[in-house]
Amino acid sequence: QKEVEQNSGPLSVPEGAIASLNCTYSDRGSQSFFWYRQYSGKSPELIMSIYSNGDKEDGRFTAQLNKASQYVSLLIRDSQPSDSATYLCAVKAGAETSGSRLTFGEGTQLTVNP
Amino acid sequence: EADIYQTPRYLVIGTGKKITLECSQTMGHDKMYWYQQDPGMELHLIHYSYGVNSTEKGDLSSESTVSRIRTEHFPLTLESARPSHTSQYLCASQHRGNYGYTFGSGTRLTVV
Repeated sequence: QKEVEQNSGPLSVPEGAIASLNCTYSDRGSQSFFWYRQYSGKSPELIMSIYSNGDKEDGRFTAQLNKASQYVSLLIRDSQPSDSATYLCAVKAGAETSGSRLTFGEGTQLTVNP
Repeated sequence: EADIYQTPRYLVIGTGKKITLECSQTMGHDKMYWYQQDPGMELHLIHYSYGVNSTEKGDLSSESTVSRIRTEHFPLTLESARPSHTSQYLCASQHRGNYGYTFGSGTRLTVV
């Protein structure tokens, strides 16, 4: 089992719809969770971080964390063509597992169709 | 404004050449990382450092080496480039408080 798994893509949604990106992780001691956006040929850019159970909203983005289910998600409301990118889930596992470094999922490619 | 800088942005080099990819950050972060990423593929950790004179190999076996003589500088060196080294190399530094990474803009390396 991979330490961080994301729903397989590619994911395609129409403009204006809600895009839902999912991520599960294996280390129950994980503490910090991040979503990065990566445009083709560019480097990853941090868009959301979440540390406690529940929802965290930032503009059109909402991150949801459920530590009991070891699940973190990213919702993008009113999706725009400019949201088309690969979204990477990253997890800071417990210190016993991997120290400070983040573990990244493989990414989910999102396409928003005009 | 970028706080972590990678040079060069693009590099085309012949087989057998020695190359150094530069990475510098102005945030005073102790922890820095090098990733290799092929187009459309996942990130692979190749080296990391938790501070000056501290370097470790990552999850992906790499023929590259790194050094960390100064906090702000974390260069990656390939002693003898091969076509299999063709890839994008991403440098990142980690924030102390929240553990998030800031990535540099990357170096796209092509070995011919």
